[in-house]
Amino acid sequence: EAQVTQNPRYLITVTGKKLTVTCSQNMNHEYMSWYRQDPGLGLRQIYYSMNVEVTDKGDVPEGYKVSRKEKRNFPLILESPSPNQTSLYFCASRNSGGLSYNEQFFGPGTRLTVL
Amino acid sequence: AQSVTQPDIHITVSEGASLELRCNYSYGATPYLFWYVQSPGQGLQLLLKYFSGDTLVQGIKGFEAEFKRSQSSFNLRKPSVHWSDAAEYFCAVGARGGTASKLTFGTGTRLQVTL
Repeated sequence: EAQVTQNPRYLITVTGKKLTVTCSQNMNHEYMSWYRQDPGLGLRQIYYSMNVEVTDKGDVPEGYKVSRKEKRNFPLILESPSPNQTSLYFCASRNSGGLSYNEQFFGPGTRLTVL
Repeated sequence: AQSVTQPDIHITVSEGASLELRCNYSYGATPYLFWYVQSPGQGLQLLLKYFSGDTLVQGIKGFEAEFKRSQSSFNLRKPSVHWSDAAEYFCAVGARGGTASKLTFGTGTRLQVTL
């Protein structure tokens, strides 16, 4: 089954304790992206990756890091989480061939609470 | 820069009634347009998309949307709502021309269905 998986689904942590949210897709997609969803703000892009070893900032990258060492995986790293990073996080992937815009597939989400 | 406005934060309709969710976009040319649905505790699922051609687009679950260039709108409609349609709906715009183009989401409309 074609899917995007995220782990963990729920996480409660404390300020300053480094954490990683994993994302994996099995569709051989080049493009992967992280979003955060906050009430009244919709989804905002944090980082995206065009392919292995190619990443770039989205609209709200502060406080986050990413890496893309393998095509299928795109982990989101919070080196020193703060309470304002409490949010619902989504990973997404899509094909990026040509000029057309292909459907973006979303993971189930990770609800993060930083105390 | 592209942007999306969903003017209705919350809508309540009776089961069996018709539904229209509004979406207005800002973009310098004809964009790619999408509607996603997010059921409680779930990720985002694509309902329909507009790339070009026929301005009335059919999607899954009986939804349709009409692209109106003159009004910069892409409103989502359903003739008869079912209780299972209760969810949050997001309109999104994607820029043309480039494999790195991202999706910009609206803030969402929460649909409540009364029996």
